Amino acid sequence: QVQLQESGPRLVKPSETLSLTCTVSGGSISNYYWSWIRQPPGKGLEWIGYIYYSGSTNYSPSLKSRVTISVDTSNNQFSLKLTSVTAADTAVYYCARHPNTYSSRSWFDPWGQGTLVTVSS
Amino acid sequence: DIVMTQSPDSLAVSLGERATINCKSSQSVLYSSNNKNYLAWYQQKPGQPPKVLIYWASDRESGVPDRFSGSGSGTDFTLTIGSLQAEDVAAYYCQQYYTMPFTFGQGTNLEIK
Repeated sequence: QVQLQESGPRLVKPSETLSLTCTVSGGSISNYYWSWIRQPPGKGLEWIGYIYYSGSTNYSPSLKSRVTISVDTSNNQFSLKLTSVTAADTAVYYCARHPNTYSSRSWFDPWGQGTLVTVSS
Repeated sequence: DIVMTQSPDSLAVSLGERATINCKSSQSVLYSSNNKNYLAWYQQKPGQPPKVLIYWASDRESGVPDRFSGSGSGTDFTLTIGSLQAEDVAAYYCQQYYTMPFTFGQGTNLEIK
């Protein structure tokens, strides 16, 4: 079955750029929508944005000015960049698939295990 | 943005008893063209990612025990755990996927009384 794994630096300095990659295994990245979602420690879930395998994207308005999501179909990966980070961006970052191939409007399944990224000097 | 509000924030239920979690959306998530409610429920155990339990408000994900059920339409939804088991201790979230940005409820922490 499809599995997702996040990777990237766990510690980022304030004002710098957070960069994460999600590697998809057990299936193709093609024909699906893929999202990034985050969860500050002890808090709820926030959707960041999605990318379609073709490269089209949609971002949450609250983060849109700082977020870029890209896809690398040859390596079955998609990535997140979040610029000008502050302590408020400290969170567990998850990647997830939209299970319906025909629409971005979907629940998320499966999810990666998540990676805690801390913003601190 | 559609605001999702869950109640209660926390809930303690005895083993074998019923647990009920509510979710209210600030606007309808019922799409009239297909008569589907764009609402999912997740379970999240400590240190784990969320796991989808219910989608389209009432469709149970494959492999999810049938003690979990979802109901409601429009703006008011309910997740019911028919007979609470010890392994059901977790946080539960609702999520709307009717429109972007996709939004989640604040979560409900379920524990054993």
